[in-house]
Amino acid sequence: KAGVTQTPRYLIKTRGQQVTLSCSPISGHRSVSWYQQTPGQGLQFLFEYFSETQRNKGNFPGRFSGRQFSNSRSEMNVSTLELGDSALYLCASSVESWNTEAFFGQGTRLTVV
Amino acid sequence: AQKITQTQPGMFVQEKEAVTLDCTYDTSDPSYGLFWYKQPSSGEMIFLIYQGSYDQQNATEGRYSLNFQKARKSANLVISASQLGDSAMYFCAMDSHAGNMLTFGGGTRLMVKP
Repeated sequence: KAGVTQTPRYLIKTRGQQVTLSCSPISGHRSVSWYQQTPGQGLQFLFEYFSETQRNKGNFPGRFSGRQFSNSRSEMNVSTLELGDSALYLCASSVESWNTEAFFGQGTRLTVV
Repeated sequence: AQKITQTQPGMFVQEKEAVTLDCTYDTSDPSYGLFWYKQPSSGEMIFLIYQGSYDQQNATEGRYSLNFQKARKSANLVISASQLGDSAMYFCAMDSHAGNMLTFGGGTRLMVKP
C-alpha cells in the first residue's frame, strides 16, 4: 500500500513568487492536513481538508491557501512568498477526520531566497 | 486550547537499553487521541503509536509502548532495547475533537550510543 506522497521534495523560490505543493494521501483516506515546521516555531497546523471541504484552519495569513480534489489529493498554495516561509511543509492523511492514526509524507522543503 | 509539553530537549541512551520520553498534555476535550512520531534527519514524520483517551489498555507496537496516565495527563513513550537507528527527534502530539489538527510538543532529540 503506497504511503503519503508529497511533491516536490525540494523547492527554491524567490521572495514575492508563489508556490504550489502537492499531497497524495493513502488510498481510502479522506482527511488531509498540512503543517509547517520551522526551527523557531516547531510544527504548526495550517489547515485540514475532509471530503473536499476545509474543516479547520490554523493561524496563518491569507497568503496560505489550499484545496482538496474529489480523489482526496490536496494542494496548498503560498502567494507572495516571504523569507520566513522557508520551512518543511508536511501533509498527513487519515481515514477519518478525528481520533484515527495520521500518516505523514516525507515533506516538501521550501527555501525562499 | 490544547497544549503538549516535552520537557527533555535531548537525551542519550546506551544501545540495547530502554528509554522513556516524557510527554504531558492539557486539554478540555473529554475525548482525544495521543500520538508519537519519529522524525529522522531526512524529515519524514514516522507514525509510531496511538492511544485513545478511552482506551482501557496502554498501546503497544513492537518495541514501542505508551505509558498513558490519564489522571496525571501524561503519555510517555517507552522504547525497549534501543537501537542505533532509533536516533532521531521524537514528537508527542494530540488531536482535536474539531478534526484532524494535531498539536505537537517541541520534541525530544534521542541519541543512541553504541
